[in-house]
Amino acid sequence: DQQVKQNSPSLSVQEGRISILNCDYTNSMFDYFLWYKKYPAEGPTFLISISSIKDKNEDGRFTVFLNKSAKHLSLHIVPSQPGDSAVYFCAASHSGAGSYQLTFGKGTKLSVIP
Amino acid sequence: NAGVTQTPKFRVLKTGQSMTLLCAQDMNHEYMYWYRQDPGMGLRLIHYSVGEGTTAKGEVPDGYNVSRLKKQNFLLGLESAAPSQTSVYFCASKQGTQPQHFGDGTRLSIL
Repeated sequence: DQQVKQNSPSLSVQEGRISILNCDYTNSMFDYFLWYKKYPAEGPTFLISISSIKDKNEDGRFTVFLNKSAKHLSLHIVPSQPGDSAVYFCAASHSGAGSYQLTFGKGTKLSVIP
Repeated sequence: NAGVTQTPKFRVLKTGQSMTLLCAQDMNHEYMYWYRQDPGMGLRLIHYSVGEGTTAKGEVPDGYNVSRLKKQNFLLGLESAAPSQTSVYFCASKQGTQPQHFGDGTRLSIL
């Protein structure tokens, strides 16, 4: 049973336009959500996060939106740049578990076309 | 400051052989994790540790053992490698509420 779902395996966007990556979750105990970016042959790197007490968090060109009632979050990248081309993983955790385990989605491969 | 270092980066094993993957972090982090990533899959947690001398099972622990004898090191062992364990293995560490910080992975092939 997949608790974190990224239903789009890939996404292509023109440089300068907005990229929107989506993520759904099923476990209502999740209260902290993260996005990681991964380049080939490298480990995932942290991008941005959001706590369930918020519905939006912004960091430069990256904004994450959380809709708790729909159990849905999205990552917006504006404007998209060729260097943003990577695989993006959505991850979730339950702070009450004490171990800070992350449950990952399968990832979305973003291609930004110059 | 190296962060999280994984050794080796690549390895090819024969079925039935054993090996140990080493993860070392120089950030004095309490928590450490081992994941595997397979094609078309997200990262799946194998084992984790919430501090020196502690270990616990994650989502896919079967066929693996771990040890955390020193705070900075987290070892992942395969006692009898199987082709199903062919994967890319990632180690991560964290402190408190900070995000997990990942190494660059070990690519393991089992023939």
